[in-house]
Amino acid sequence: KQEVTQIPAALSVPEGENLVLNCSFTDSAIYNLQWFRQDPGKGLTSLLLIQSSQREQTSGRLNASLDKSSGRSTLYIAASQPGDSATYLCAVNTDKLIFGTGTRLQVFP
Amino acid sequence: EAGVAQSPRYKIIEKRQSVAFWCNPISGHATLYWYQQILGQGPKLLIQFQNNGVVDDSQLPKDRFSAERLKGVDSTLKIQPAKLEDSAVYLCASSSGTVYEQYFGPGTRLTVT
Repeated sequence: KQEVTQIPAALSVPEGENLVLNCSFTDSAIYNLQWFRQDPGKGLTSLLLIQSSQREQTSGRLNASLDKSSGRSTLYIAASQPGDSATYLCAVNTDKLIFGTGTRLQVFP
Repeated sequence: EAGVAQSPRYKIIEKRQSVAFWCNPISGHATLYWYQQILGQGPKLLIQFQNNGVVDDSQLPKDRFSAERLKGVDSTLKIQPAKLEDSAVYLCASSSGTVYEQYFGPGTRLTVT
């Protein structure tokens, strides 16, 4: 059974720091992995999707890596801003999405 | 391009009442998903449709939950009768296919009192 774990559960940092959010999964048989952002009371916004054959994807200040053999993905946020405050969820696609419980990020000025 | 639409955004009902949620996916997306997200947890898949057929409903509590996708476009999710533990956000998502990127709607926050 696929299980997805995210560490840390919560993170509070000052503006400008570079951040690393971690996601691990137990079964490497995945099609892809998606990182999402969720603001309070809102739906999920897709940030990055990495196919199983890819090693990383970049979008602006965000970079996500995937090491399928070790069951790990990291989301790197460069030069964090207060607007980055949200919950970040990773999900692996095994023909359905299996989500982690998320990392709640707060960036303070 | 319009995103995934859901209604209502909020709903408060008493236990044992019934409730229905509506979802309109992104135009052309064949695959539609309903997820349940309990506070503090990640979303959990309830049911997946491919066009108007069910692909996966293994985690749908079928004694009280039902869903349909008429004509392979809009979908409704119904709960009857509701229990306190059904309080959650119900998210609809759509994609071009099973292995493609999923796009989520804003969700419906259900409170059962």
